Amino acid sequence: GIQVEQSPPDLILQEGANSTLRCNFSDSVNNLQWFHQNPWGQLINLFYIPSGTKQNGRLSATTVATERYSLLYISSSQTTDSGVYFCAVVGTGGFKTIFGAGTRLFVKA
Amino acid sequence: NAGVTQTPKFQVLKTGQSMTLQCAQDMNHNSMYWYRQDPGMGLRLIYYSASEGTTDKGEVPNGYNVSRLNKREFSLRLESAAPSQTSVYFCASTLSERQSSYFGAGTRLSVL
Repeated sequence: GIQVEQSPPDLILQEGANSTLRCNFSDSVNNLQWFHQNPWGQLINLFYIPSGTKQNGRLSATTVATERYSLLYISSSQTTDSGVYFCAVVGTGGFKTIFGAGTRLFVKA
Repeated sequence: NAGVTQTPKFQVLKTGQSMTLQCAQDMNHNSMYWYRQDPGMGLRLIYYSASEGTTDKGEVPNGYNVSRLNKREFSLRLESAAPSQTSVYFCASTLSERQSSYFGAGTRLSVL
């Protein structure tokens, strides 16, 4: 099945810093999403981005489908950005969603 | 709109007991999913229902059964709980496989 790898596994930032999170996937996808899991466990959908670039406030994401990777950019980080960021993909074969192991982000005040 | 609602939020079972986790969505979504999340790990797909009337196995289906009761509701049943099923369970829904997914708040299950 399709493999999803995220890097880095852990990241510590000072408030105000910028960061880039990466998601590599092993096969063609119909669906790629980025999620934020906050410290209370809630999963929030950030982007649906199987290809191209999107921006939402301080967050933006780019997926290069032909090279099988996606990047999530966080600018001017805030303490509320802390949590785990997951990349999840659905291969072209159907509905099975595969999650990466996540990047755990801690933003220090 | 409530979105995706899961019940219960917490549950403690003894080995061998059975229980059903309930999930309902009010977004008229076609597809629904059950995942489990173990400490420090990503989510793993247990079962999914691409549309009303269909269900299929995900990555880790052993020990679980599901029912797509109607378009709104998708339940997950543990027939004989085992300690290895201690986890946080999430339900999700989406309009189609090419759309965003929306998650419930999760059910934290401990099997002693």
